[in-house]
Amino acid sequence: SQTIHQWPATLVQPVGSPLSLECTVEGTSNPNLYWYRQAAGRGLQLLFYSVGIGQISSEVPQNLSASRPQDRQFILSSKKLLLSDSGFYLCAWNRHPRRNSPLHFGNGTRLTVT
Amino acid sequence: DQQVKQNSPSLSVQEGRISILNCDYTNSMFDYFLWYKKYPAEGPTFLISISSIKDKNEDGRFTVFLNKSAKHLSLHIVPSQPGDSAVYFCAASANTNAGKSTFGDGTTLTVKP
Repeated sequence: SQTIHQWPATLVQPVGSPLSLECTVEGTSNPNLYWYRQAAGRGLQLLFYSVGIGQISSEVPQNLSASRPQDRQFILSSKKLLLSDSGFYLCAWNRHPRRNSPLHFGNGTRLTVT
Repeated sequence: DQQVKQNSPSLSVQEGRISILNCDYTNSMFDYFLWYKKYPAEGPTFLISISSIKDKNEDGRFTVFLNKSAKHLSLHIVPSQPGDSAVYFCAASANTNAGKSTFGDGTTLTVKP
């Protein structure tokens, strides 16, 4: 069976500090990978998605970047965090290129920028 | 401009009764709709979906109805159970990639014993 690991679960970082969130998927190969963010009381917003190693598409201009160094590894980064980067970050995967495959989410990282 | 709206932030129902969660969308390009369920401190989990070529899809206690002309879909849970208490997100996608979904803000369902 497939599993998705995301860490850390919670993170408190000062403004201006760097960020690195990591996500790995097990039990499947060549998945589509996604980073979503949920602001308090809001829905999920797609930040980045990737259909393969080194292939990253950005959906929203922001202070963040993503990388996919390996097939089942997806990393979300920032060089300097802003207060507005606070939120709940979720990594997800779905099958590629299966039509209309639903998302499978990790348990998320609660990021607080102080 | 929110393309997917869940106008009820919360809903409370009695155990055994029907829960109806609603969702409206504005983008005519959306052709696939999904419902996700989320417990606190966990990621959302997929619940049920429907293609725009259908008007109903059923899976056990869960049924999703789609009214394309009204750009409206609803999730029915019958009978509701206390374990159904969670946040429910409606999501919509276009061009067959359900991963690139637009989500509503969610409805918190509370099922009282």
